[in-house]
Amino acid sequence: DAGVIQSPRHEVTEMGQEVTLRCKPISGHNSLFWYRQTMMRGLELLIYFNNNVPIDDSGMPEDRFSAKMPNASFSTLKIQPSEPRDSAVYFCASSSRDRGAGELFFGEGSRLTVL
Amino acid sequence: AQKITQTQPGMFVQEKEAVTLDCTYDTSDPSYGLFWYKQPSSGEMIFLIYQGSYDQQNATEGRYSLNFQKARKSANLVISASQLGDSAMYFCAMRPILTGGGNKLTFGTGTQLKVEL
Repeated sequence: DAGVIQSPRHEVTEMGQEVTLRCKPISGHNSLFWYRQTMMRGLELLIYFNNNVPIDDSGMPEDRFSAKMPNASFSTLKIQPSEPRDSAVYFCASSSRDRGAGELFFGEGSRLTVL
Repeated sequence: AQKITQTQPGMFVQEKEAVTLDCTYDTSDPSYGLFWYKQPSSGEMIFLIYQGSYDQQNATEGRYSLNFQKARKSANLVISASQLGDSAMYFCAMRPILTGGGNKLTFGTGTQLKVEL
């Protein structure tokens, strides 16, 4: 079975540029999460969706960040304009309340470097 | 609000020995789930084990077991017969159950485990 697929795996960009990170969750999962990982702040939940609807975006740092989930098989996290402090690994994860313990399955992450 | 505390930033263990990674939590939710994840140097997050707050027995998955002490609000991970491949960062996490919190996981800061020969 295919796991959570994220793209790009690595992104290097310059301050002020727009960055779009993409995620394809596991088929059949009804929850999708975006996390950010840095050395200083650890793993932070940015936003999560249930059945494509944003439920909690309180972790989104500021208006420069936005996330969408137009359908059950695709989500994007956009940063515009990007800043050096946005440099981090961004993880997408999906889960199903109907299967297992509801554990999150993570993608391999997108490592973002903003110069 | 939920909080996970992992007080050991780093741990060393000899190969084939057992090691315990500490995790304490704080929550006002009456029902919750506790998780452990492994993050090797390659960066992926790997689910290891789950314990529900109402489970009567401690969870076990192969060499992993969870020492759950509800009164103490602790959910320590025990790895038996450590292997070199166990060297990684380990995260404790929790989520509420039944209070509309979805599957939102709150993570601790992690413990870096190094297995030595």
